[in-house]
Amino acid sequence: DGGITQSPKYLFRKEGQNVTLSCEQNLNHDAMYWYRQDPGQGLRLIYYSQIVNDFQKGDIAEGYSVSREKKESFPLTVTSAQKNPTAFYLCASRQLQGRGDIQYFGAGTRLSVL
Amino acid sequence: KNQVEQSPQSLIILEGKNCTLQCNYTVSPFSNLRWYKQDTGRGPVSLTIMTFSENTKSNGRYTATLDADTKQSSLHITASQLSDSASYICVVTFSGGYNKLIFGAGTRLAVHP
Repeated sequence: DGGITQSPKYLFRKEGQNVTLSCEQNLNHDAMYWYRQDPGQGLRLIYYSQIVNDFQKGDIAEGYSVSREKKESFPLTVTSAQKNPTAFYLCASRQLQGRGDIQYFGAGTRLSVL
Repeated sequence: KNQVEQSPQSLIILEGKNCTLQCNYTVSPFSNLRWYKQDTGRGPVSLTIMTFSENTKSNGRYTATLDADTKQSSLHITASQLSDSASYICVVTFSGGYNKLIFGAGTRLAVHP
């Protein structure tokens, strides 16, 4: 999966609970992204970060939070404010300069609500 | 509105046969178009990437075409194998902002023996 590790592979959330999804990359990429994938829909951008200590909201950021304290790490927290969190979450990274311009994806985390 | 539409939604073919998947987009301006393969429960993997000036790009048995005038792309799979069973996602880069990726919903391909 291109040097991007997501954990855990499966996660269960109780109502009212915050959960954190891990994403680590060893590709030395500047930019990292979090997407949500629902059946029959295209991937939707939750948050992205192009540099350490900076991140921007995507199209569906409500109920989610992120941090980017290290270049290699971009954890996503699904808060209790996210009322419909059941989905497949994908983390991706990309080198901002040079040729290629390819986003590499992790293997994903499937989040379900108990 | 910037959108990417893929057809068909799903497709079943027999092993060894060819197939073509379609992608229509309304993204403008755009800088490139990519095709990804996503196995069930896994992350997408890049197959091809084409800029607006490229008409075709091959990767083994996968050949992508792009017509920037009609805003259409296709992915042709030759001599299909059981391992080709996956979802194929068309992604267009919107260059009007921070190079945002616009994803299609994908075509789910099943190759049967």
